Amino acid sequence: DTAVSQTPKYLVTQMGNDKSIKCEQNLGHDTMYWYKQDSKKFLKIMFSYNNKELIINETVPNRFSPKSPDKAHLNLHINSLELGDSAVYFCASSQTPGIIYFGEGSWLTVV
Amino acid sequence: GQQVMQIPQYQHVQEGEDFTTYCNSSTTLSNIQWYKQRPGGHPVFLIQLVKSGEVKKQKRLTFQFGEAKKNSSLHITATQTTDVGTYFCAHYAGGTSYGKLTFGQGTILTVHP
Repeated sequence: DTAVSQTPKYLVTQMGNDKSIKCEQNLGHDTMYWYKQDSKKFLKIMFSYNNKELIINETVPNRFSPKSPDKAHLNLHINSLELGDSAVYFCASSQTPGIIYFGEGSWLTVV
Repeated sequence: GQQVMQIPQYQHVQEGEDFTTYCNSSTTLSNIQWYKQRPGGHPVFLIQLVKSGEVKKQKRLTFQFGEAKKNSSLHITATQTTDVGTYFCAHYAGGTSYGKLTFGQGTILTVHP
């Protein structure tokens, strides 16, 4: 069973479109995250949620809107996609400080 | 937030050679985590260090936390092709599970058979 699963794995879309990435964790963790990894492998936190409550919003453009319907799910909606949004987006969950379980990633390409 | 700098950015080794990556900070760190990301994969947690001078081993991997808690290292003895990937150090700020984990830039390891 996959602990943190996210869909879709690959996404190719045109500039200006709106897209969503879904994430679910079956680990019973209270905390979920979205991380962005750019082409240089740099991993940067975007958001963290704890029990459906937004905790960290790391200066991400308003076009990115996370939603957590319950503590096992954290979705990411992106409006008006730009070329610079092309990256790998990782969902993750945690129960122990510093120890994070990542999903397999969603490869987003904006053309 | 506290920044962690990793060196080198890239390392190419011949299979069987040793490899070390370093993680440095200008300020004292309360903890360091190490993660490994295989090519095309996702980061996977390896180890957590919290004590000054701490040394932990996992088979061929040795992790150290500096005495001043401003640096850490990951050493791999006799690399194998399965060791390829990007190794990240990360610092966690906040005492709860929903704090911020800040990653270093990573060291990309290539192992030539």
